[in-house]
Amino acid sequence: EDQVTQSPEALRLQEGESSSLNCSYTVSGLRGLFWYRQDPGKGPEFLFTLYSAGEEKEKERLKATLTKKESFLHITAPKPEDSATYLCAVRKIGTGNQFYFGTGTSLTVIP
Amino acid sequence: DAGVIQSPRHEVTEMGQEVTLRCKPISGHDYLFWYRQTMMRGLELLIYFNNNVPIDDSGMPEDRFSAKMPNASFSTLKIQPSEPRDSAVYFCASSFSLDRPKYFGAGTRLSVL
Repeated sequence: EDQVTQSPEALRLQEGESSSLNCSYTVSGLRGLFWYRQDPGKGPEFLFTLYSAGEEKEKERLKATLTKKESFLHITAPKPEDSATYLCAVRKIGTGNQFYFGTGTSLTVIP
Repeated sequence: DAGVIQSPRHEVTEMGQEVTLRCKPISGHDYLFWYRQTMMRGLELLIYFNNNVPIDDSGMPEDRFSAKMPNASFSTLKIQPSEPRDSAVYFCASSFSLDRPKYFGAGTRLSVL
């Protein structure tokens, strides 16, 4: 069964305490993996796209990596403004439903 | 560009009433998506359009839901009749292609009493 699982569900970090969020997937025929950030009361905001295993993308304190089974979003020296829910989404090849979103990791960075 | 624009931002209605949600995608984007987000189920794809044509509506919960895209700059999602279990945040998103990222609107928070 095609599935996207994010862990942990919630994460509390002290400001400056680096960590990683995980997105594991079991879809066959991956066409792309997307990371989004969602603030309360807003729509998801696009962060990164990864298309193949080994690929990495960086933006400020965030770095996304991709393997054949999972993706990590590494947060280096986080700040309170990084607090948000981080969603990953997968697009697969094929017919029918080609898009799967994880349920997200709620990140809280404490000053 | 102003991004994806949704209206209304909030909608409170009574069970049995018709609800219409509206979306203006980013100009030049060929794909438009309607999502529903709840705490229990997360983000669910309801339907998506390519060049104004519905491509996959397998996520539409039942016949009470319908969506249209009469032109490249406007889409509606209609619920008739509405039920309390339809209460959720509904997002519209658009993109250049299926392989490119989606850009989401701010959402419509629907409460059906």
